[in-house]
Amino acid sequence: QVQLVQSGAEVKKPGASVKVSCKASGYTFTAYYLHWARLAPGQGLEWMGWINPDGDTRYPQTFQGRVSMTRDTSISTAYMELNSLTSDDTAVYYCARDTGGNVFHIWGQGTMVTVSS
Amino acid sequence: QSALTQSRSVSGSPGQSVTISCIGTSSDVGGYNHVSWYQQHPGKAPKLMIYDVTKRPSGVPDRFSGSKSGNTASLTISGLQAEDEADYYCCSYAGFYTLFGGGTKLTVL
Repeated sequence: QVQLVQSGAEVKKPGASVKVSCKASGYTFTAYYLHWARLAPGQGLEWMGWINPDGDTRYPQTFQGRVSMTRDTSISTAYMELNSLTSDDTAVYYCARDTGGNVFHIWGQGTMVTVSS
Repeated sequence: QSALTQSRSVSGSPGQSVTISCIGTSSDVGGYNHVSWYQQHPGKAPKLMIYDVTKRPSGVPDRFSGSKSGNTASLTISGLQAEDEADYYCCSYAGFYTLFGGGTKLTVL
């Protein structure tokens, strides 16, 4: 069946980087936009950007220069790397497949990233 | 690119109806019919409940309905059930960007 499976939990020090993976199965990986979002403790969902079927990316201003979304089409896997981590980046990170018009039917299970000294 | 505005919390008794609002601008909610709603239980991934303002994915009960007027979208849950207690997020297309609301915690009394 169609699913997105994310990599496991990470613990990072302030200033470090984290790279989360999202492996797709059950559908043509290169046919859909893939978005990333995060949920920090006590906060709401925050959109982090997308990577489209052509490999182009778009990030909101809040993450410009600090986030990078890439993919390896040979293994149907997308990646989200976030740099210069602070404690404010402690959150659960999700990938989600966009069916079109920001319709996210399929979500990954989430990856907990903890930033602590 | 500011987050959409949702009330922090709403509550209702079993069997009652509640409405959750999502306020945006003419550049997002008001400008496109690409508003969706997600239900999230603690420790779980978000679940799509409504898309394109009013459409329900298969498997979502018809107790859930969506609407939009101007820059404000709404999610109405009728016949509240205990399992509806969760956080609800609105989401809107905004050109090349996506916006989520701050989330509304629904408590079933």
